[in-house]
Amino acid sequence: AQTVTQSQPEMSVQEAETVTLSCTYDTSESNYYLFWYKQPPSRQMILVIRQEAYKQQNATENRFSVNFQKAAKSFSLKISDSQLGDTAMYFCAFMKGGSQGNLIFGKGTKLSVKP
Amino acid sequence: GAVVSQHPSRVICKSGTSVKIECRSLDFQATTMFWYRQFPKQSLMLMATSNEGSKATYEQGVEKDKFLINHASLTLSTLTVTSAHPEDSSFYICSAREVAGGMTGELFFGEGSRLTVL
Repeated sequence: AQTVTQSQPEMSVQEAETVTLSCTYDTSESNYYLFWYKQPPSRQMILVIRQEAYKQQNATENRFSVNFQKAAKSFSLKISDSQLGDTAMYFCAFMKGGSQGNLIFGKGTKLSVKP
Repeated sequence: GAVVSQHPSRVICKSGTSVKIECRSLDFQATTMFWYRQFPKQSLMLMATSNEGSKATYEQGVEKDKFLINHASLTLSTLTVTSAHPEDSSFYICSAREVAGGMTGELFFGEGSRLTVL
């Protein structure tokens, strides 16, 4: 069975600074995907970034980037130039490859961006 | 991105009644939809996987007779909470995978439905 662990229940960062959220996972699968989702107070789940396990290059999306360490099964999210709108719960998630895979979520990290 | 709509967004019902929540993919066809439950300040827990035209697959510990799932078309899945009790109060979220998604792996989420059972 796959597991996803987020060891930081809460974090805070000053506006415009950089913050890194940690995530580790455990799996025996060779084909899988990793995601970071953002859940603001509206509760709508928003995809932040996605990484295919077979890709060595770390995914980036504007101010968001990941540090994917496959051997260590680590998948951290770096948010640069933090903005007030980044305040939200962040969930790391794992999905087995294939058409029937479902998302397995970590417990989440509550990020607060302070002005 | 693709749009998934959930309805209702909020529902309050009396204990013992049944409540239906709809999940619709508005601009794509979804062979597979997933239903999650989220308690306050907790993560999303998968309840069941819904496949169009077949019976849903429930996760361990989820009562299939209590949480009825129907996926009658490629754009609609419904979750019915039968004989609801206060402990069923929660936030329910659906997600859908596009038919052509295949190996892309992306799921699209609905806005969620908050159920309060009095």
